[in-house]
Amino acid sequence: ETGVTQSPTHLIKTRGQQVTLRCSSQSGHNTVSWYQQALGQGPQFIFQYYREEENGRGNFPPRFSGLQFPNYSSELNVNALELDDSALYLCASSVGTGISYEQYFGPGTRLTVT
Amino acid sequence: KNEVEQSPQNLTAQEGEFITINCSYSVGISALHWLQQHPGGGIVSLFMLSSGKKKHGRLIATINIQEKHSSLHITASHPRDSAVYICAVRGYGGATNKLIFGTGTLLAVQP
Repeated sequence: ETGVTQSPTHLIKTRGQQVTLRCSSQSGHNTVSWYQQALGQGPQFIFQYYREEENGRGNFPPRFSGLQFPNYSSELNVNALELDDSALYLCASSVGTGISYEQYFGPGTRLTVT
Repeated sequence: KNEVEQSPQNLTAQEGEFITINCSYSVGISALHWLQQHPGGGIVSLFMLSSGKKKHGRLIATINIQEKHSSLHITASHPRDSAVYICAVRGYGGATNKLIFGTGTLLAVQP
């Protein structure tokens, strides 16, 4: 158990719809990263939030957006869903952005877009 | 070419065998992680290292910074070790501690 939870576990959406995925970090973890893992691939960095501000972004379009809240929860929002958005979405939290800080991963949300 | 390469991609072993999974990377790094992912998706961090060697139970991780190479060893493998093992690195600089992942090694340990 990492103390990081995600909801929902599984989700099926239709192309063009919008989706919100949620992550609840450990208390005190002010940094959360979101990753997308396509089938058979390693996770790809989407973005990171530090103290409720986005502080880094991977190669993902603006229709991927996020929020981080003071209660250590966060959201990943994806608009105008495309078939290629089907993947496992992982969040990972840590107590800061320093290199010595361990990252704790949630169990993931598996999104299927039809 | 991926910045983080793992080998082999798939590995089948008999219970009790010594297992080695390799990771090579092409970027300068500040830390390297070995992670375990079970079916269903959850990822657990096994090791985080920036030099030398670490050991936890039957797992040993080594890193050679000059050669940009790391290995994960499993001694006396057991069927419960069956999982995907992923190598991930953190680069230098930048505001984030984002990880760059390899594609993983699928390990199956047969009884």
